[in-house]
Parts: sequence; C-alpha cells; structure tokens
Amino acid sequence: GDSVTQMEGPVTLSEEAFLTINCTYTATGYPSLFWYVQYPGEGLQLLLKATKADDKGSNKGFEATYRKETTSFHLEKGSVQVSDSAVYFCALLNFNKFYFGSGTKLNVKP
Amino acid sequence: NAGVTQTPKFQVLKTGQSMTLQCAQDMNHNSMYWYRQDPGMGLRLIYYSASEGTTDKGEVPNGYNVSRLNKREFSLRLESAAPSQTSVYFCASSEAARGRIEGYTFGSGTRLTVV
Repeated sequence: GDSVTQMEGPVTLSEEAFLTINCTYTATGYPSLFWYVQYPGEGLQLLLKATKADDKGSNKGFEATYRKETTSFHLEKGSVQVSDSAVYFCALLNFNKFYFGSGTKLNVKP
Repeated sequence: NAGVTQTPKFQVLKTGQSMTLQCAQDMNHNSMYWYRQDPGMGLRLIYYSASEGTTDKGEVPNGYNVSRLNKREFSLRLESAAPSQTSVYFCASSEAARGRIEGYTFGSGTRLTVV
C-alpha cells in the first residue's frame, strides 16, 4: 500500500544552518506530495505542496522538489531560524486518501 | 477566519466513560476527517466523511463512532473509553479543486487522557 517514510528526529541545528529533512514515498499512480508543519500546541498547517513530478513547492524559505525517479520529496531551507522549531510531516495524497509520515521534530538553537 | 474548530481542547476520562468530540468548519468543505496522533506514529485516520450523509472507516476505527450532523459538523464519539485511546485527536476538512484535493485544514486538536 501507499506509505511515507521520513527521517527520525529530533534534528537539532544552530540558527542560520542549512536544513534537510528527508522524505521518501511508496505509491501507485500519481500522488500529490505535501509538507505540513505543527507548532507546539497547535494543529497541522500546510507548508508547501507539489502535484506532479519535477514540481517545486516553496513557502517561507522552505522548498521541496517532487522527484519521481527517486520517489522523494526532501524538505530544505537555506538558513533556519529559532521560530522554525516545530514538527514537520511529509504526506502524500493518492486516490483521495492522505498518508502521513511519522513526523520529524526540528529544534533550532540561537 | 475560524477555519476548523474543535472542542474541547483537553479532556480527562475514566476508563469506561463516554464522550463526544465536536468539530465544526466554516469553509463549506464537503469532506471531513478525524485523525489521532500518537508519538512516533504520525497521524492515523479514524473515520472520514466524504460528503454530508456519508461516513467511512479509516485505518483505526475500532472503539469509535462518528456522526456527520450536517455539512459543517462532524463529531467523534467514544462509547467506552480505554487507556489505549489516550491521544491527541485532530479534525480536518478539505475541498476538491479541479478533481484533486488541495490539502487539509486542521483544527488545533483535542488532547484526551483516559485513566
């Protein structure tokens, strides 16, 4: 069945460091791919998405490229801030069903 | 600008008690969902309602029931709470656009503890 695998956390970085959170997926057909962010005590918020191969989603300095050849959708940011500390979820949507990864906690230290 | 509203935000139950988690959305979305979030397991779908008047089981429906009261509201009921149902519960809604769902809007969650 369809599934999403993302790197385990927590990931701890210093402010202004480069961020990569890996995400790979297994799916039939042509899924859409998403990154959601969850700040402490809040629900999930859509961060970015890509609906077809080679699309790049971007928002708030974060980027992810839909790579069908490697079945990946890695999240990157060139310079993280303390305010980026949160849990990040990779997800895929296929045939009207969502599948979420287990989440990666990011801690950014000043 | 409410989006998806869940009540209550926190709840402690004794084993065997019942309760209903409420969810309402004001975005005129057709589809609504209930998820639970447990450490290291991401979000798992409990039940969903693709449209008013329909409900379907998700990945982990045992011990739960749902009601799609109208287009706005989708409630989740625990008839006899068990400690294994201690979790954070999220309601979400979505709307198809060009035949593809654009993504979910999530509520802020209900933290439930069963003792």
